[in-house]
Amino acid sequence: DGGITQSPKYLFRKEGQNVTLSCEQNLNHDAMYWYRQDPGQGLRLIYYSQIVNDFQKGDIAEGYSVSREKKESFPLTVTSAQKNPTAFYLCASSRDRLNTEAFFGQGTRLTVV
Amino acid sequence: AQSVTQPDIHITVSEGASLELRCNYSYGATPYLFWYVQSPGQGLQLLLKYFSGDTLVQGIKGFEAEFKRSQSSFNLRKPSVHWSDAAEYFCAVGLNDMRFGAGTRLTVKP
Repeated sequence: DGGITQSPKYLFRKEGQNVTLSCEQNLNHDAMYWYRQDPGQGLRLIYYSQIVNDFQKGDIAEGYSVSREKKESFPLTVTSAQKNPTAFYLCASSRDRLNTEAFFGQGTRLTVV
Repeated sequence: AQSVTQPDIHITVSEGASLELRCNYSYGATPYLFWYVQSPGQGLQLLLKYFSGDTLVQGIKGFEAEFKRSQSSFNLRKPSVHWSDAAEYFCAVGLNDMRFGAGTRLTVKP
């Protein structure tokens, strides 16, 4: 089945540690996105990539990093520079840069302990 | 500045009543328009989308939305709400990227 897979579903991190969230898609989509979701704030765009080896910052990129070495994969690293990393993270993909429709993973809930 | 606004944070309706969720956008051009639904702790599912053509679009689960260019709006409607419709609803616009409104949480009273 085609889809987008995020792992792990739950993740705990100690303060000061970097952590990487995985996002893989087998939809052959060019564009991929990372969003952060906090209660009452909706989805905020962290990074997006419209093609392999290229990505752009979204509205809240500080403290995050990404890579797009393969079309299928768009991992997000939450660095120790992110001051408030506890949140629900959603990865999405869409067919092309015109954003015809985004398909979402099931999300990763990151908690800093 | 480009923005997507959902004016209603929380709406409560009785089961069987009609529903309208509002969405307004501010973009230089007409973007692609979407409505998504999210159940707690889950990803988002697409309800419907508008690219061009007929301004009234039909989606899944009995939802529809109407694009009004003059009002920069794309409101979501359902004639009769079911208890299973309780969820969070997001309006989204796509141009060079995909931006979402803050969401409207729908509660359905029995």
